[in-house]
Amino acid sequence: QVHLVQSGAEVKKPGSSVKVSCRASGGSFSMYGITWVRQAPGQELERMGGFIPLLGTTNYAQKFQGRVTISTDESTTTGYMELTSLRSEDTAVYYCARFHLTSGYWLDPWGQGTLVTVSS
Amino acid sequence: QSALTQPRSVSGSPGQSVTISCAGTSNDVGGYNYVSWYQQHPGKAPKLMIFDVNERPSGVPDRFSGSKFGNTASLTISGLQTEDEADYYCASYAGSYTVIFGGGTKLNVL
Repeated sequence: QVHLVQSGAEVKKPGSSVKVSCRASGGSFSMYGITWVRQAPGQELERMGGFIPLLGTTNYAQKFQGRVTISTDESTTTGYMELTSLRSEDTAVYYCARFHLTSGYWLDPWGQGTLVTVSS
Repeated sequence: QSALTQPRSVSGSPGQSVTISCAGTSNDVGGYNYVSWYQQHPGKAPKLMIFDVNERPSGVPDRFSGSKFGNTASLTISGLQTEDEADYYCASYAGSYTVIFGGGTKLNVL
Protein backbone atom coordinates (compact mmCIF):
# COMPACT_ATOMS: atom_id res chain seq x y z
CA GLN A 1 0.00 0.00 0.00
CA VAL A 2 1.46 3.33 -1.02
CA HIS A 3 2.05 6.12 1.49
CA LEU A 4 2.93 9.70 0.58
CA VAL A 5 5.50 11.33 2.87
CA GLN A 6 5.98 15.08 2.57
CA SER A 7 8.87 17.29 3.60
CA GLY A 8 8.80 19.29 6.80
CA ALA A 9 7.35 22.67 7.71
CA GLU A 10 8.88 25.79 6.18
CA VAL A 11 9.05 29.45 7.18
CA LYS A 12 9.69 31.80 4.28
CA LYS A 13 10.07 35.53 3.71
CA PRO A 14 7.72 37.38 1.34
CA GLY A 15 9.07 37.31 -2.19
CA SER A 16 11.01 34.09 -1.73
CA SER A 17 10.24 30.59 -3.04
CA VAL A 18 9.43 27.26 -1.45
CA LYS A 19 9.79 23.73 -2.80
CA VAL A 20 7.84 20.94 -1.09
CA SER A 21 8.57 17.28 -1.75
CA CYS A 22 6.27 14.25 -1.65
CA ARG A 23 7.85 10.77 -1.63
CA ALA A 24 5.75 7.75 -2.61
CA SER A 25 6.69 4.93 -0.27
CA GLY A 26 5.63 1.54 -1.62
CA GLY A 27 4.58 2.85 -5.01
CA SER A 28 5.12 5.52 -7.62
CA PHE A 29 3.37 8.17 -9.69
CA SER A 30 4.24 6.63 -13.04
CA MET A 31 0.83 5.15 -13.85
CA TYR A 32 -1.03 7.94 -12.08
CA GLY A 33 -0.66 11.66 -11.65
CA ILE A 34 0.22 13.91 -8.76
CA THR A 35 -2.00 16.76 -7.61
CA TRP A 36 -1.18 19.50 -5.13
CA VAL A 37 -3.91 21.00 -2.96
CA ARG A 38 -3.54 23.69 -0.36
CA GLN A 39 -5.63 24.72 2.64
CA ALA A 40 -5.28 28.13 4.26
CA PRO A 41 -6.04 28.28 8.00
CA GLY A 42 -9.73 27.58 8.55
CA GLN A 43 -10.42 27.53 4.81
CA GLU A 44 -11.46 24.99 2.19
CA LEU A 45 -9.33 22.79 -0.03
CA GLU A 46 -7.94 24.55 -3.09
CA ARG A 47 -6.44 22.68 -6.03
CA MET A 48 -3.20 24.21 -7.27
CA GLY A 49 -2.45 21.92 -10.18
CA GLY A 50 -1.14 18.55 -11.25
CA PHE A 51 1.32 16.59 -13.35
CA ILE A 52 0.76 13.34 -15.23
CA PRO A 53 4.08 11.57 -15.86
CA LEU A 54 2.61 9.14 -18.40
CA LEU A 55 1.47 12.01 -20.58
CA GLY A 56 4.16 14.48 -19.58
CA THR A 57 1.48 17.10 -19.07
CA THR A 58 0.94 19.66 -16.36
CA ASN A 59 -2.11 21.76 -15.66
CA TYR A 60 -2.26 24.57 -13.17
CA ALA A 61 -5.17 26.42 -11.67
CA GLN A 62 -5.42 29.86 -13.23
CA LYS A 63 -4.81 31.50 -9.86
CA PHE A 64 -1.32 29.98 -9.67
CA GLN A 65 -0.29 30.16 -13.32
CA GLY A 66 3.23 31.53 -13.62
CA ARG A 67 4.06 30.99 -9.92
CA VAL A 68 3.82 27.23 -9.48
CA THR A 69 5.79 24.33 -10.95
CA ILE A 70 4.82 20.71 -10.33
CA SER A 71 7.04 17.81 -11.30
CA THR A 72 8.04 14.28 -10.41
CA ASP A 73 11.31 12.33 -10.32
CA GLU A 74 10.47 8.71 -11.04
CA SER A 75 13.96 7.53 -10.09
CA THR A 76 13.21 8.53 -6.50
CA THR A 77 9.37 8.22 -6.69
CA THR A 78 9.18 11.81 -5.44
CA GLY A 79 6.93 14.64 -6.50
CA TYR A 80 7.64 18.33 -6.08
CA MET A 81 5.74 21.57 -5.91
CA GLU A 82 7.58 24.88 -6.14
CA LEU A 83 5.79 28.15 -5.46
CA THR A 84 7.54 31.45 -6.14
CA SER A 85 6.97 35.10 -5.22
CA LEU A 86 5.50 34.10 -1.88
CA ARG A 87 3.16 36.44 -0.06
CA SER A 88 1.44 36.23 3.31
CA GLU A 89 -1.73 34.85 1.70
CA ASP A 90 0.25 31.75 0.70
CA THR A 91 0.48 30.69 4.34
CA ALA A 92 -1.26 27.31 4.26
CA VAL A 93 -0.92 23.57 4.61
CA TYR A 94 0.10 22.06 1.28
CA TYR A 95 -0.97 18.51 0.45
CA CYS A 96 0.11 16.18 -2.32
CA ALA A 97 -2.17 13.39 -3.50
CA ARG A 98 -1.91 10.63 -6.06
CA PHE A 99 -4.33 11.24 -8.91
CA HIS A 100 -6.09 8.15 -10.24
CA LEU A 101 -7.02 8.58 -13.89
CA THR A 102 -7.61 5.23 -15.54
CA SER A 103 -11.09 3.98 -14.57
CA GLY A 104 -12.16 7.29 -13.05
CA TYR A 105 -10.70 10.36 -11.43
CA TRP A 106 -9.99 10.64 -7.72
CA LEU A 107 -7.25 11.52 -5.22
CA ASP A 108 -5.84 8.80 -3.00
CA PRO A 109 -3.77 8.60 -0.91
CA TRP A 110 -2.88 12.02 0.43
CA GLY A 111 0.34 13.14 2.05
CA GLN A 112 0.34 14.29 5.66
CA GLY A 113 0.58 17.95 4.68
CA THR A 114 3.35 20.55 4.89
CA LEU A 115 2.78 23.84 6.68
CA VAL A 116 4.30 26.78 4.84
CA THR A 117 4.35 30.04 6.77
CA VAL A 118 5.13 33.26 4.92
CA SER A 119 6.14 36.02 7.27
CA SER A 120 8.59 38.88 7.39
CA GLN B 1 -13.81 27.22 -12.59
CA SER B 2 -16.05 27.95 -9.60
CA ALA B 3 -16.06 25.73 -6.60
CA LEU B 4 -18.90 23.26 -6.18
CA THR B 5 -21.60 24.35 -3.72
CA GLN B 6 -22.02 22.52 -0.44
CA PRO B 7 -23.99 23.46 2.70
CA ARG B 8 -21.78 25.02 5.36
CA SER B 9 -22.91 22.55 8.00
CA VAL B 10 -25.25 19.66 8.70
CA SER B 11 -26.14 17.99 11.97
CA GLY B 12 -27.44 14.67 13.12
CA SER B 13 -27.70 12.50 16.21
CA PRO B 14 -25.95 9.18 16.66
CA GLY B 15 -27.79 6.46 14.76
CA GLN B 16 -29.51 8.89 12.41
CA SER B 17 -28.79 9.49 8.71
CA VAL B 18 -27.59 12.71 7.11
CA THR B 19 -27.15 13.73 3.50
CA ILE B 20 -24.67 16.31 2.22
CA SER B 21 -25.34 17.85 -1.17
CA CYS B 22 -22.82 19.04 -3.75
CA ALA B 23 -24.15 21.23 -6.56
CA GLY B 24 -22.21 21.79 -9.75
CA THR B 25 -22.89 22.35 -13.43
CA SER B 26 -23.06 20.35 -16.63
CA ASN B 27 -19.33 21.06 -17.04
CA ASP B 28 -18.40 19.09 -13.96
CA VAL B 29 -20.82 17.10 -11.74
CA GLY B 30 -23.48 16.76 -14.43
CA GLY B 31 -21.06 16.02 -17.22
CA TYR B 32 -19.14 13.11 -15.70
CA ASN B 33 -19.77 10.24 -13.31
CA TYR B 34 -16.56 11.09 -11.49
CA VAL B 35 -17.58 12.62 -8.17
CA SER B 36 -15.49 11.81 -5.11
CA TRP B 37 -15.91 12.62 -1.42
CA TYR B 38 -13.25 13.25 1.22
CA GLN B 39 -13.43 13.25 5.01
CA GLN B 40 -11.13 15.53 6.96
CA HIS B 41 -10.75 15.52 10.72
CA PRO B 42 -9.19 18.61 12.36
CA GLY B 43 -5.46 18.79 11.79
CA LYS B 44 -5.48 15.74 9.52
CA ALA B 45 -5.14 15.13 5.81
CA PRO B 46 -8.25 14.44 3.74
CA LYS B 47 -9.26 10.80 3.31
CA LEU B 48 -11.04 9.34 0.29
CA MET B 49 -14.50 8.02 1.22
CA ILE B 50 -16.29 7.69 -2.14
CA PHE B 51 -15.08 7.74 -5.75
CA ASP B 52 -16.82 7.54 -9.11
CA VAL B 53 -20.08 8.80 -7.52
CA ASN B 54 -20.90 5.69 -5.49
CA GLU B 55 -17.84 3.44 -5.14
CA ARG B 56 -16.32 2.83 -1.71
CA PRO B 57 -12.59 2.21 -1.27
CA SER B 58 -11.60 -0.82 0.74
CA GLY B 59 -11.94 -0.13 4.46
CA VAL B 60 -14.65 2.54 4.22
CA PRO B 61 -17.80 1.42 6.08
CA ASP B 62 -20.89 0.76 3.98
CA ARG B 63 -22.68 3.38 6.09
CA PHE B 64 -21.20 5.83 3.57
CA SER B 65 -22.89 5.98 0.17
CA GLY B 66 -22.93 8.35 -2.77
CA SER B 67 -25.37 9.27 -5.49
CA LYS B 68 -25.91 11.80 -8.24
CA PHE B 69 -28.90 13.31 -10.00
CA GLY B 70 -28.33 15.83 -12.73
CA ASN B 71 -25.83 18.45 -11.61
CA THR B 72 -26.04 17.56 -7.92
CA ALA B 73 -24.23 14.81 -6.07
CA SER B 74 -24.94 13.62 -2.55
CA LEU B 75 -23.15 11.81 0.24
CA THR B 76 -25.34 9.94 2.71
CA ILE B 77 -24.05 8.70 6.04
CA SER B 78 -26.37 6.30 7.80
CA GLY B 79 -26.13 5.07 11.38
CA LEU B 80 -24.17 8.18 12.40
CA GLN B 81 -21.32 7.65 14.83
CA THR B 82 -19.49 10.25 16.88
CA GLU B 83 -16.28 9.60 14.92
CA ASP B 84 -18.07 10.71 11.73
CA GLU B 85 -17.92 14.30 12.98
CA ALA B 86 -15.57 15.97 10.49
CA ASP B 87 -15.46 18.19 7.42
CA TYR B 88 -16.56 16.61 4.16
CA TYR B 89 -15.51 17.81 0.72
CA CYS B 90 -16.91 16.77 -2.63
CA ALA B 91 -14.84 16.92 -5.80
CA SER B 92 -15.69 16.44 -9.44
CA TYR B 93 -13.74 15.83 -12.59
CA ALA B 94 -13.98 18.92 -14.77
CA GLY B 95 -12.16 17.82 -17.90
CA SER B 96 -8.52 18.12 -18.98
CA TYR B 97 -7.33 16.03 -16.03
CA THR B 98 -8.54 18.57 -13.48
CA VAL B 99 -10.79 18.24 -10.46
CA ILE B 100 -12.62 20.98 -8.60
CA PHE B 101 -13.64 20.91 -4.96
CA GLY B 102 -16.69 21.96 -3.04
CA GLY B 103 -16.39 24.48 -0.23
CA GLY B 104 -16.72 21.78 2.43
CA THR B 105 -19.43 20.84 4.91
CA LYS B 106 -18.96 20.51 8.65
CA LEU B 107 -20.83 17.53 10.02
CA ASN B 108 -21.85 17.89 13.64
CA VAL B 109 -22.87 14.74 15.47
CA LEU B 110 -24.95 15.96 18.39
